[in-house]
Amino acid sequence: EAGVTQFPSHSVIEKGQTVTLRCDPISGHDNLYWYRRVMGKEIKFLLHFVKESKQDESGMPNNRFLAERTGGTYSTLKVQPAELEDSGVYFCASSPTAYEQYFGPGTRLTVT
Amino acid sequence: KNEVEQSPQNLTAQEGEFITINCSYSVGISALHWLQQHPGGGIVSLFMLSSGKKKHGRLIATINIQEKHSSLHITASHPRDSAVYICAPGGSQGNLIFGKGTKLSVKP
Repeated sequence: EAGVTQFPSHSVIEKGQTVTLRCDPISGHDNLYWYRRVMGKEIKFLLHFVKESKQDESGMPNNRFLAERTGGTYSTLKVQPAELEDSGVYFCASSPTAYEQYFGPGTRLTVT
Repeated sequence: KNEVEQSPQNLTAQEGEFITINCSYSVGISALHWLQQHPGGGIVSLFMLSSGKKKHGRLIATINIQEKHSSLHITASHPRDSAVYICAPGGSQGNLIFGKGTKLSVKP
């Protein structure tokens, strides 16, 4: 069975540009989580989908971040416009039950 | 004060040593995860605990819900165990709160 996949693995963009990160969860997992680690800090929760609905988006830093989950399958996280402080590693995790979580490899975002 | 405190922050051990990493948390949780992150960044879930103790190979994780404390033990440590170990308690909806991590280096 395929694990959680994320695309791209690394993205380098200029400040002010738009970037879209994608996460494909394990098939059948209703719960999908986005997390990020910015330089020197611990990993922080961004948001949680149950199927296509946002269950908790309390960790989203501001309205430059938009997350969607089409048809309860894959999810995208768009940053528009990107700022320097958005640089970091964005992780996605999926879960069948909101308990055990399976993490993707992460997308490293560099904003210059 | 951070909601999740891990100790030590950095740990250097000789191959074969018994290692303990501690985690204290202040939030109410449904379960606690121990995660491993290797250089290169990928995260692997080692354990999910809601009570008691779990063992997987040379790794043992314990949790005391009343004391809000968990420990990760590595027996007979090996250089390939070198990684960052992260404690992450989670609420009923699963969103995790992460510790800063413990960087472990095991020397041959």
